Amino acid sequence: DIQMTQSPSSLSASVGDRVTITCRASQSISSYLNWYQQKPGKAPKVLLYAASSLQSGVPSRFSGSGSGTDFTLTISSLQPEDFATYYCQQSYSNFFTFGGGTKVEIK
Amino acid sequence: QVQLQESGPGLVKPSQTLSLTCTVSGGSIGSGSYYWSWIRQPAGKGLEWIGHIYTGGSTNYNPSLKSRVAISVDTSKNQFSLKLSSVTAADTAVYFCARVSGTTTLDYWGQGTLVTVSS
Repeated sequence: DIQMTQSPSSLSASVGDRVTITCRASQSISSYLNWYQQKPGKAPKVLLYAASSLQSGVPSRFSGSGSGTDFTLTISSLQPEDFATYYCQQSYSNFFTFGGGTKVEIK
Repeated sequence: QVQLQESGPGLVKPSQTLSLTCTVSGGSIGSGSYYWSWIRQPAGKGLEWIGHIYTGGSTNYNPSLKSRVAISVDTSKNQFSLKLSSVTAADTAVYFCARVSGTTTLDYWGQGTLVTVSS
């Protein structure tokens, strides 16, 4: 199975900061990488698919890059509603796997 | 707008079988090329993919759960279901159902339902 490793596991940032989260796959997954945002008590919401494509309705401050094994989610200017936990997920294999999550907290 | 809603017992005894149903509204479960998936999340922890079913009936399961999991679909009721046998306390979690889109993204999710395994 394909292991997904996210870093950092948590970070503290201020409104307006640029935030970068990294996700690494244990083998090449081409661009089959999705990013989700989850707020407490809620289901995850997809932000980006295929590594860099923005899901409809998601603000353009979210962006993604990477292919193969290394991927990045960037929030260009952190907003109050962005404090949440972020997960990467690979869909390269029929056995989906998620990263461990990155909790973005208010500094 | 597609909506998904999980339903089922919130409490299951150890060694018994957990059974959940996901009802899909706003679209036919049998139309389009979608997979229908189950994911779970223990309290305070990350997401674990359980498995999914294609509308044609083919399934894929998490290898760590494969011996205990069965996912089925009932297109006449616009529902798909999860059965997890021989449960233990480690299976206590919020269980989500979700749709897998053509871009292999989990694009629509249910709100989640908490299942506790306890005697």
